[in-house]
Order: sequence, then structure tokens, then C-alpha cells
Amino acid sequence: GQNIDQPTEMTATEGAIVQINCTYQTSGFNGLFWYQQHAGEAPTFLSYNVLDGLEEKGRFSSFLSRSKGYSYLLLKELQMKDSASYLCAVQTDSWGKLQFGAGTQVVVTP
Amino acid sequence: GAVVSQHPSWVICKSGTSVKIECRSLDFQATTMFWYRQFPKQSLMLMATSNEGSKATYEQGVEKDKFLINHASLTLSTLTVTSAHPEDSSFYICSARDQAGNPYEQYFGPGTRLTVT
Repeated sequence: GQNIDQPTEMTATEGAIVQINCTYQTSGFNGLFWYQQHAGEAPTFLSYNVLDGLEEKGRFSSFLSRSKGYSYLLLKELQMKDSASYLCAVQTDSWGKLQFGAGTQVVVTP
Repeated sequence: GAVVSQHPSWVICKSGTSVKIECRSLDFQATTMFWYRQFPKQSLMLMATSNEGSKATYEQGVEKDKFLINHASLTLSTLTVTSAHPEDSSFYICSARDQAGNPYEQYFGPGTRLTVT
């Protein structure tokens, strides 16, 4: 079967750093995505990794290890507006089909 | 940037009726669109892949006769929930790939909240 696992919830204080881990086992792999989703809204794109290594984009960084089936999203200098669900998704074919993890709810406290 | 719209943004219908949801790519052409469903506090589940000019490909467990998908043009895909029941109440989200843009990037619509009474 296909599995994409990530923690259910994480809490951190404003200004801190949080790392959200994602492990995956899928039938195909054509890249790994991270999305942010606020309640009742559509996901917004954060990052994309297809090769091993770290991709940095401002306060957000994402890492991929294909041999380990592992990725993480690093959120630095947390702000209250970062409170949201973060979805790990694997593109399983060349057409763009995405398999999503259950999402990690990040709660940022003052 | 690329924009995908959905209409309606929310709809309430009675059990047994049909509801049509539209997904449009506003400033790009999309040969492929995807339909997802999301139940409260759960992740997005892919329902089907919609290809312009051909039949949709449904994921396992999704009834193609109940969820009719039509991708008649490069900018429009529609999802019709036929004979809706309360268990079909969910958040339906579409996404589209820009055929002229980055091959990996998908753009999501704002979603349609369906409530069946």
C-alpha cells in the first residue's frame, strides 16, 4: 500500500523553530511537496523537492532523502500566522497525481 | 500568478438531488485537472484525474457514476455529484496544471463546501 506519515500536531512558541517530519512509502515518486492549509481554505504551495538535499525559501526550508523515504519542513522565526495545517504530499506519477499525508496541525503560541 | 476558481464556493442541497461544481483556470490552459475531497480534520483524498477531451480516471473506491466529471475545454472541468446523500457532504477542491508552466506545479482552487441535508 501507500503510506505518508507525519505527526498529527505540534506546538511551538512565537519566534521559535519547528521541524515537521514526513516519511513515505509510495508506488511511484516524482517529487515531494509541502503545502500550508488554513481551516476552510485550499492548500497553498510552500516547497518542492525532487533531488536529495535542502531547499531554502525564506523562513521555510525543506529537506529530502529519497533513499530513506524521508522529508522535513523547517519553519523558522515562527509567527502567529503560521498556525495552520502543513501537508506533505508525494507526486506519484508524471501526470501530477498527488498523494497527501494526513497533515500536521502547527499551533503557535505567544 | 496562476489562478484557479471554483463555483460555487458553498452549496446546500437536499438529499437525492444533483449538484454541479465548476473548476476554471483563469489565466492558463490546463490539460489536466484533479478533483479532491476533504472531510473535516482529514487530509485531501484524490478522487479523479480529469483530462481535457477524454474520460476521467477515477481512484479506487470512487464511484464514477456518482461523481461525473467533464473536462470539455482547456480551462474548465466540472464535477457533478449525482443523487447526493448526507455522507457526500465534504469540502471539494480542484487543482490544475499549467501545460505551459513548471511541470511540477499545481494550482489549487479555493474549494467548494457541499452540505447535503
